[in-house]
Amino acid sequence: QVQLVQSGSELKKPGASVKVSCKASGYTLTRYAMNWVRQAPGQGLEWMGWINTKTGNPTFAQGFTGRFVFSLDTSVSTAFLQIFSLKAEDTAVYYCARDSGSGGYYTDVWGKGTTVTVSS
Amino acid sequence: QSALTQPPSASGSPGQSVTISCTGTSSDVGDYNYVSWYQQHPGKAPKLMIYEVTKRPSGVPARFSGSKSGNTASLTVSGLQAEDEADYYCSSYAGSNKLVFGGGTKLTVL
Repeated sequence: QVQLVQSGSELKKPGASVKVSCKASGYTLTRYAMNWVRQAPGQGLEWMGWINTKTGNPTFAQGFTGRFVFSLDTSVSTAFLQIFSLKAEDTAVYYCARDSGSGGYYTDVWGKGTTVTVSS
Repeated sequence: QSALTQPPSASGSPGQSVTISCTGTSSDVGDYNYVSWYQQHPGKAPKLMIYEVTKRPSGVPARFSGSKSGNTASLTVSGLQAEDEADYYCSSYAGSNKLVFGGGTKLTVL
């Protein structure tokens, strides 16, 4: 079945970097764009941006430029989110979510989330 | 882009109907019929409930329906059931290949 399998929880110190993976199974990664969504503790969903999985071209939401990188390794059907110069406020659950591919700008499959904790 | 505005909470008794609003602007909700709604239970990933304002994915009960008027979209849950208690988020296309979420509404089944 179609699913997105995300990497496990991470504990990082401020200033470090983290790379979260999202492996697509049951479908071809490059046929659907991939979104990334952040959810800080006790807070709502925040759209971070998306990556065109055909071209690798990323689009970032306001507030997610500079320290955030979206990338792909199509040979292993995996999308990545990398965050540099981590801050305490980056502590959150990060979700990858597949675009439906229908042009309707909604996500139909979500990973279970990766918890990133930034603490000294 | 600013987050869409949702009421922080909503509630209803089993069997009743409840409507959750999602207010945006003429640059997002008002300009596109690309509003979607997601249900999130504690500790779980969000689940798509409504897309393109009114459409329901297969497997989502017909008790869930969506609508839109001007800059405000709405999710109505009819015949409330205990398992409907969750957080609900709206999302809209905001132009320039960007999306925006609402702040979320905690639905309590009394």
